[in-house]
Amino acid sequence: EVQLVESGGGLVKPGGSLRLSCAASGFTFSSYSMNWVRQAPGKGLEWVSSISSSSSYIYYADSVKGRFTISRDNAKNSLYLQMNSLRAEDTAVYYCARGSLELQSWGQGTLVTVSS
Amino acid sequence: QSALTQPASVSGSPGQSITISCTGTSSDVGSYNLVSWYQQHPGKAPKLMIYEVSKRPSGVSNRFSGSKSGNTASLTISGLQAEDEADYYCCSYAGSSTPYVFGTGTKVTVL
Repeated sequence: EVQLVESGGGLVKPGGSLRLSCAASGFTFSSYSMNWVRQAPGKGLEWVSSISSSSSYIYYADSVKGRFTISRDNAKNSLYLQMNSLRAEDTAVYYCARGSLELQSWGQGTLVTVSS
Repeated sequence: QSALTQPASVSGSPGQSITISCTGTSSDVGSYNLVSWYQQHPGKAPKLMIYEVSKRPSGVSNRFSGSKSGNTASLTISGLQAEDEADYYCCSYAGSSTPYVFGTGTKVTVL
């Protein structure tokens, strides 16, 4: 069974940093592209970033470009999102999701709150 | 890249069919047969219901079907059931640098 478990969320002040992790199991992690998608409270889904299976291709939404960095460690079956210069508008539940053309499997999400 | 446009809400009675539209542009929905649909119950993670416009993942009920015409994709739920009450989001590929553009979301209510 595919499992994706996010962690690392919490309360952070504007301008602060946070690193999210996503632990994957139940599939060959190194064979799949991975993604981060977020959802602000009461709002819709927003794609944040994608990374190919070997980290050769990395993409970011304009809203996070230059502030967020996606990475993965295939030996540890883990996906990461380093978030710097956080803003109030980054407050959201952050989901990791597996897939390259469609998002086949999702984690349960981790809440990031940016507030003073 | 702007969000795809969906109706805010759609409702129907049990057993009826409903259709949710998803309107994009010639740069996303109109250019690729890579539209997917996600169901999200309150407080839960989204779940893939349709991919590549009309394909259903294993385990998804055949009451869910998808189609596309021009820049507009559609999700039809037939034989509406109480468990179908949820938010639904469409998503389209929009090029290698923007792999996912989501729709604005539609709340489905079963009357």
